[in-house]
Amino acid sequence: QVQLQESGPGLVKPSETLSLTCTVSGGSISSYYWNWIRQPPGKGLEWIGNIYYSGSTNYNPSLKSRVTISVDTSRNQFSLNLNSVTAADTAVYYCAKKSGDAYWYFDFWGRGTLVTVSS
Amino acid sequence: EIVMTQSPATLSVSPGERATLSCRASQSVSSNLAWYQQEPGQAPRLLIYGASTRATGIPARFSGSGSGTEFTLTISSLQSEDFAVYYCQHYNNWPLTFGGGTKVEIK
Repeated sequence: QVQLQESGPGLVKPSETLSLTCTVSGGSISSYYWNWIRQPPGKGLEWIGNIYYSGSTNYNPSLKSRVTISVDTSRNQFSLNLNSVTAADTAVYYCAKKSGDAYWYFDFWGRGTLVTVSS
Repeated sequence: EIVMTQSPATLSVSPGERATLSCRASQSVSSNLAWYQQEPGQAPRLLIYGASTRATGIPARFSGSGSGTEFTLTISSLQSEDFAVYYCQHYNNWPLTFGGGTKVEIK
């Protein structure tokens, strides 16, 4: 069974870049699409974007100008960079796997990591 | 962007009773809809996809219905572990969006 684990700094200063990594175990990253989703404290879920092992990406237009998602197949990892962060980017960030069929829902999730944007 | 609206925001139900949660899309998403359950401090868990297909290991008391713009998640007899927040998500086109969630609490 696939497992995902997010890692990265829990505190980022305003205007700087938020960087997180998701490590995939129990399966190869060289299949499926891999996603980032976030949840501000006490609020709902927002899809950020995804990447295929080939490097093909899709981003939420609301964040597209600030987001880069990349993949490292040799390490079975994919990463999120979000630049020019503000307090509004404070959230729990989840990585998630797209389903194995042709549809874009998420069947495995990481436990999430809280990132706080504050000076 | 398709806006997903869930109602009610909070649903108070006694254990053993039925819970009915609604999700409305601002335009048709066909049957491209999933439901997730999120317990406090936990990641969301996939319950339903294709509007009505239970995910692997999900108990039969969970059922989904609807198509187009109106969807329902029904929990036939609430168990203690079912008190949580439930989200719907469409995957009809980009960007993928979620509803604001319905919190099911103990009455």
